[in-house]
Amino acid sequence: GAVVSQHPSRVICKSGTSVKIECRSLDFQATTMFWYRQFPKKSLMLMATSNEGSKATYEQGVEKDKFLINHASLTLSTLTVTSAHPEDSSFYICSARDPYLAYGYTFGSGTRLTVV
Amino acid sequence: QQQVKQSPQSLIVQKGGIPIINCAYENTAFDYFPWYQQFPGKGPALLIAIRPDVSEKKEGRFTISFNKSAKQFSLHIMDSQPGDSATYFCAASDQGAQKLVFGQGTRLTINP
Repeated sequence: GAVVSQHPSRVICKSGTSVKIECRSLDFQATTMFWYRQFPKKSLMLMATSNEGSKATYEQGVEKDKFLINHASLTLSTLTVTSAHPEDSSFYICSARDPYLAYGYTFGSGTRLTVV
Repeated sequence: QQQVKQSPQSLIVQKGGIPIINCAYENTAFDYFPWYQQFPGKGPALLIAIRPDVSEKKEGRFTISFNKSAKQFSLHIMDSQPGDSATYFCAASDQGAQKLVFGQGTRLTINP
């Protein structure tokens, strides 16, 4: 199947700073990528759909100015958490449609963000 | 309408037993039903998936049973092993919308 690489796997930042998370499709081109947030022992919540060359589509309740998404190329989407606060601490996961499966999605390994 | 309800929340089974995890959905437009396995600190990995035109699918020790009329589907793990201990998520999508909707997750523990 397809591989999605997510970096960094862990990051600790101070309140008020911004953090960028990268999601790369390694062996395929992804016109669309998905960003999820997962709280401890909870399910994945879709935050936004990232579209190459156009604006991301955010789910209801997700602050666009807080979570900036850029999909500048067919293999890279980035999520920037701006002016991070402790409540932004979470596990962030990206995903893309798997071109090698008829209906499959492949996920990155996730990024654990801790804001102190 | 967009929810997928998953049960149980947690499950403990002895090695060799057959854990069963159930999911139910409302949206009849859903046409893809995958199951994902997630270990702590990792992203979800696809285990097995089914489309509504079949009632059962087996891959190795994993089986999905699908009941279209009841709008329910379940995951069975045969000959469970301690290494199967993980969190399992069912999901559903409407290919037109491209979004995956996840169930709440089941924390499965297989005791040796």
